[in-house]
Amino acid sequence: AQSVTQLDSHVSVSEGTPVLLRCNYSSSYSPSLFWYVQHPNKGLQLLLKYTSAATLVKGINGFEAEFKKSETSFHLTKPSAHMSDAAEYFCVVSVWGFQKLVFGTGTRLLVSP
Amino acid sequence: GAVVSQHPSRVICKSGTSVKIECRSLDFQATTMFWYRQFPKQSLMLMATSNEGSKATYEQGVEKDKFLINHASLTLSTLTVTSAHPEDSSFYICSARDRQAGEFYNEQFFGPGTRLTVL
Repeated sequence: AQSVTQLDSHVSVSEGTPVLLRCNYSSSYSPSLFWYVQHPNKGLQLLLKYTSAATLVKGINGFEAEFKKSETSFHLTKPSAHMSDAAEYFCVVSVWGFQKLVFGTGTRLLVSP
Repeated sequence: GAVVSQHPSRVICKSGTSVKIECRSLDFQATTMFWYRQFPKQSLMLMATSNEGSKATYEQGVEKDKFLINHASLTLSTLTVTSAHPEDSSFYICSARDRQAGEFYNEQFFGPGTRLTVL
């Protein structure tokens, strides 16, 4: 079975400072991993995805994530936060060949001026 | 590319009425579409998986007679909330897999969601 744990329900940063959103996964097989962002009352937008290619994945809006199999982690980072980054972020795991996505509980990113 | 739309974006209805939500893949064909429900400040909960031309597969605890899903074409799936009650009020989000992406490619493209309020 697959599962994903987002270690922080809320993360607060100041504009211009680095962002780190933590995610650990559990999977019996080689996982596919995704980060999605959701702004209030909006659908989900894909930030980036890992599908067994390069372990350092670059996404949109300056976000990137590193797949670390030994640590079963897929943390999301950004060097410098922007006010527009304030949103809910979901780490998602799936397994190659299986259709279902398993969502983490989400991390709300708060960005202060 | 890979755009999924939902209609309506918001709907308010009276208790006891039925509401239909449409999910369309605009620029690709989707053999599989998914329906999720999201409560305020919570994660997404998968309700059902619908495959074109066949019956939907519902997750445990989801009433299939309450939430009717139809996937009549490769670009359209509908969710009908029958005899809606206030506890059905929620944010409903659909997603779709690209038919051409291959059997093992599991990325899903999400719609913008529909806010249902039952009075």
